[in-house]
Formats: sequence, C-alpha cells, structure tokens
Amino acid sequence: NAGVMQNPRHLVRRRGQEARLRCSPMKGHSHVYWYRQLPEEGLKFMVYLQKENIIDESGMPKERFSAEFPKEGPSILRIQQVVRGDSAAYFCASSPREVNNYGYTFGSGTRLTVV
Amino acid sequence: QKEVEQNSGPLSVPEGAIASLNCTYSDRGSQSFFWYRQYSGKSPELIMSIYSNGDKEDGRFTAQLNKASQYVSLLIRDSQPSDSATYLCAVRSGRGSTLGRLYFGRGTQLTVWP
Repeated sequence: NAGVMQNPRHLVRRRGQEARLRCSPMKGHSHVYWYRQLPEEGLKFMVYLQKENIIDESGMPKERFSAEFPKEGPSILRIQQVVRGDSAAYFCASSPREVNNYGYTFGSGTRLTVV
Repeated sequence: QKEVEQNSGPLSVPEGAIASLNCTYSDRGSQSFFWYRQYSGKSPELIMSIYSNGDKEDGRFTAQLNKASQYVSLLIRDSQPSDSATYLCAVRSGRGSTLGRLYFGRGTQLTVWP
C-alpha cells in the first residue's frame, strides 16, 4: 500500500526554465494538497485539488504557477520561468475525501534548486 | 488571516526529561489540531491529532488542547536523542472553502542530548 509518491526527489533548474513536479496520491485518494517550505520557514499552503477540479488555489502565486490533477495520472505542479526565490521543498499530501478530522500524510517532497 | 504561533526555540533537553512544545492559534473556528515531526531534509510526519478539549496520550506523546485559550501543546516524556527534530503545529479551520487546508506554525527545533 504505497504512500504519497512524489518525483523527482531533487530538481535543479536554471533561471527561466520550467519546473514540473509530480504527485501520485495514495490509492483511493481523490484530493491532493500542495505545500511549499522555504528554508527556515514553516509549510505554506499553495493549492487544493480534486480530480479535474481546483478547489482552492488562494495560496498559489498568480503568475508562473499552475496546478492540475487530471482524471488519469498524477497531479502536476508547474512553475514557469523559475527564479531563485522558487528554490524550496515542495510537498504533496492526499486524502480520500474532504474530511475535517484527517491529518493527511505528506509525500517525501521535491527539493527544487534554481541556479 | 489565520495564524499559528509556536515558541521559537530552539529547545534543548537532556535525555529522559520531558519536552514541552507550545502552540497558539488565532482562528476560534479551528476544529482539528495536529503535530508533525520533521527531521532535517525529510518530509513532515504526522505524530498526533486532537479534536476535543483535554489530553490525548499516545505512548510517550501527550497532546493537550484548550479551545477557550486557543492553545495546543505537545509533551514528550522520557525524551530520547531520536526525538531531536523540528516539531510543527498545524491547525484546520473546518469552515468553507478552506476546509481542506492546514495552517502550520514555523516549528520548534528540539534537541535531546545524551
């Protein structure tokens, strides 16, 4: 029973390139959450998705960032024209449905370094 | 603006002692509360959840919640060097479109020395 799978674990991009981060939720889970952790800071919410729907993207920068969770395949967090300030750890979590009393489990994360 | 504040630390305790980690939150509508442990370079790991006022015990860990004071804490008894990590407090508001979202504190770094 695999947990939340994220890839790649480490990603290095030059300024101006695109970064694509993937998240496969736990089996049977249809809700995905993306968080970003900057060095020495806590986790910040970015976006909450269901299959084929964005539920809450209020934590995601309006420019250069986008997210999707298609009917088939993993959720993708896409960062266009990366800048040094995008260097961070990006974590994904999933849940079976919209539940209140559920402390979701995070994937191992993708550590993005922009050079 | 929903905020979660943790004592900044770092917190250093000797092996075998009780470590006490504290957290306050601003949104009175918050309904679910969680503690995560994060080792350096790793992802956060859920260790405790609490939803009702009072104490909840799980092994060496005890979570305490006081909704009137908007305060949640984590006690670690018989601390071990392997408990050395950053502990993140997380709160869910339980309302509206932000139902799924967790708000995290910046974390308290705990060091347990032998």
